[in-house]
Amino acid sequence: DVKVTQSSRYLVKRTGEKVFLECVQDMDHENMFWYRQDPGLGLRLIYFSYDVKMKEKGDIPEGYSVSREKKERFSLILESASTNQTSMYLCASSFPGVETQYFGPGTRLLVL
Amino acid sequence: AQTVTQSQPEMSVQEAETVTLSCTYDTSESDYYLFWYKQPPSRQMILVIRQEAYKQQNATENRFSVNFQKAAKSFSLKISDSQLGDAAMYFCAYRSAPNQAGTALIFGKGTTLSVSS
Repeated sequence: DVKVTQSSRYLVKRTGEKVFLECVQDMDHENMFWYRQDPGLGLRLIYFSYDVKMKEKGDIPEGYSVSREKKERFSLILESASTNQTSMYLCASSFPGVETQYFGPGTRLLVL
Repeated sequence: AQTVTQSQPEMSVQEAETVTLSCTYDTSESDYYLFWYKQPPSRQMILVIRQEAYKQQNATENRFSVNFQKAAKSFSLKISDSQLGDAAMYFCAYRSAPNQAGTALIFGKGTTLSVSS
């Protein structure tokens, strides 16, 4: 079974803190994605990566950056957390050309 | 740009009954994939069913089936013999043609399905 794990299920941070969310997949997938899920808005793409050190902006990249130094790991970074970044963050991965994405359990982030 | 619309924020069904969740999408592409994902409360999002646009036959997966109407750009999910474990948020999603690096999913806003006994 494909396994996508995220470093934390719940996280509480203060405004202005630098926040790291990590995602690891064990299926050698080239593609990895970070989504943000908010009530009434569905899932919105923040960033994705199709190879090590490669990244592309999604629909809402402002206030976020990413890092992919190893194939299995994709990190989402909030440089200076703000209250409007309180949300559920979902990581996903897939093979290129394969349609199905596999999701991690999500990290619920609260910024105070 | 492609968009996905789920017009039913909430739906309810009784156990053993059938329910249909609606999804419409907008695209100018002819080759794409459509998905239904399920997100149970506090649990991981999982794939329920997928449909290739070039296939006329509707996909089925046990109690789950779709009604894919390409000309109408409609992709509804039918759940037969509903079970308590079907209670979840359901997302309709669209993906452009394969073989493009890092193509992401475009999601609808979701439909929360509740199942009563």
